[in-house]
Amino acid sequence: ILNVEQSPQSLHVQEGDSTNFTCSFPSSNFYALHWYRWETAKSPEALFVMTLNGDEKKKGRISATLNTKEGYSYLYIKGSQPEDSATYLCASNFGNEKLTFGTGTRLTIIP
Amino acid sequence: DTAVSQTPKYLVTQMGNDKSIKCEQNLGHDTMYWYKQDSKKFLKIMFSYNNKELIINETVPNRFSPKSPDKAHLNLHINSLELGDSAVYFCASSQDKVTYEQYFGPGTRLTVT
Repeated sequence: ILNVEQSPQSLHVQEGDSTNFTCSFPSSNFYALHWYRWETAKSPEALFVMTLNGDEKKKGRISATLNTKEGYSYLYIKGSQPEDSATYLCASNFGNEKLTFGTGTRLTIIP
Repeated sequence: DTAVSQTPKYLVTQMGNDKSIKCEQNLGHDTMYWYKQDSKKFLKIMFSYNNKELIINETVPNRFSPKSPDKAHLNLHINSLELGDSAVYFCASSQDKVTYEQYFGPGTRLTVT
């Protein structure tokens, strides 16, 4: 069984603070690591897809890193804003069309 | 110019009925998926089709039957609906043959009474 795990499960962060959370995955047979942003009552939207060890991607105030040898990825949000409130999902695929999703980190930004 | 669309958005029906949810993508993608968001808000894959061929079939009751008339459409038919089928069902598509980055539809909230 290939498990993708995320921590913490939920997080409350003061507006303006920076934060980060973790996704861990089996490092064997790894192909890609995905981060999705999922707002309540909407559908998940891709933030980043990374494939190479040491990959680092950035979109505005959000960035992500990837360590395929030890099987983890971090998502960072700098200067949190209320619109960052969402569930952040990571997923990995291991050589086929099936993505295995983590259970998500639910982020709430406190104004 | 919706990329992945689902109909209906909401579906309320009684136990024992048969219902279908439709999904269409205009992205030209080869692979389409159905996911179920369960009661704990987890996203679980149900089925995947690549160019009309079934490639992923997770442990799903055989009351659920996907149908892909062409590579732009993947419909989900559910027979003899049960209370436990109440959930949000998401359709998705992908094209990249390495990463399989998912493009999700807006979801269909199914309520079985």
